[in-house]
Order: sequence, then structure tokens, then C-alpha cells
Amino acid sequence: NAGVTQTPKFRVLKTGQSMTLLCAQDMNHEYMYWYRQDPGMGLRLIHYSVGEGTTAKGEVPDGYNVSRLKKQNFLLGLESAAPSQTSVYFCASSYALVGYEQYFGPGTRLTVT
Amino acid sequence: GIQVEQSPPDLILQEGANSTLRCNFSDSVNNLQWFHQNPWGQLINLFYIPSGTKQNGRLSATTVATERYSLLYISSSQTTDSGVYFCAVFPGNQFYFGTGTSLTVIP
Repeated sequence: NAGVTQTPKFRVLKTGQSMTLLCAQDMNHEYMYWYRQDPGMGLRLIHYSVGEGTTAKGEVPDGYNVSRLKKQNFLLGLESAAPSQTSVYFCASSYALVGYEQYFGPGTRLTVT
Repeated sequence: GIQVEQSPPDLILQEGANSTLRCNFSDSVNNLQWFHQNPWGQLINLFYIPSGTKQNGRLSATTVATERYSLLYISSSQTTDSGVYFCAVFPGNQFYFGTGTSLTVIP
């Protein structure tokens, strides 16, 4: 099992450019999450998905969009990147919201100049 | 949203020492987890513990849900325990992370 994988691992964008981060899991989990981690801080939830075709907003959703077209994939999009979106992005998945652990990917380091 | 506070923010230990990390949260939760983020950034589950006590090797955790806190115990610390320890809570709508305890274990 690969667990949770993220693509790409690093990316540098210019202000205004767009990009998509891909998260994939092979554990047949229903729930998937996107977080951002800024220096010296814990993780903050951006968006999450409770199943194929469904998404919901987290604590800091502005400037991001997500899609879950397949159960194993969860995409995070930045339509017009801003320097404030410079961060490390983590994807996670779990079998359910309550009663089960979250498993994390290795992270994507994004820099917006 | 719910407030999650961790203490201490930083901790330096001699190898072999024991430590207790604390997580306080401001509202009732359905889910509480402890994670370790290693120096390379990888997040690893330690415990899923919304209430009660669990042990896994040198680590154990206790959550007293009625008093809104959780404790993570590390015994006989090793240099590989270094990193940041986060607690995360789920009050019913989404997950909230604390700001972490940064642990450095020196040989």
C-alpha cells in the first residue's frame, strides 16, 4: 500500500498563476482532507470531502477550490495564486470522521512569489 | 471555532528522561488525536483517543473529556522522539489543530 500520496512535492508559482495539487489514497477511505501548515503553526483545514462527489468548506477555504470526482483522488486548486498562499499543504484521509484515525501524505511545499 | 491550546510550546529533554505534554480544548469533542511531525515534516498518527487511556510502547495518552484536556506521556525519551507533537480535535463539524509542542531530545 502506498497510503496517501501527493503530487507535486514542491512548486513555485508567480502571483496570479493557477495550479492543481493532487492527492491520492489507496485505503478505500471515504473521507479526505486538505490542510495548510504555516511556519510555527498547526494545521488548518481548507476543505474536506465526505465521499465521491461531495465537498465541504473547512476553516480557511477562501482562494481554494476542490473536487472529488473519484473516491481515491482529492484535488485542490488555486485559481489565482497569492503570496499569502505560500505554505505547506497536506492531504489526509480517514475511514470516517469519528472513530478512525487520519492518515497524512508527505506534503507539498508551495511558494508564491 | 473551538480553541485548542498545547503546553509547553517547547521542550528540551536529555535522552532517557520522561515528559508530559498537555492539550486543552474549549468545547466538547467527538474525536481527539495526537500526531508526531518528524523533522522531515511527515505527520504520523500516535493515538486516536476521545476519552480514556491508551498505551503504545513508550508512549501513552489520557483524555478526560469532561474536563476538556488530554495528556501525552513520553517515557525514556530517545533522540528519534524529536519533532513537533500536535493534538487535533473534532467538535462535530471539522478538525482543529493545536499549535504543537516542539520536543528536542539531546543525547
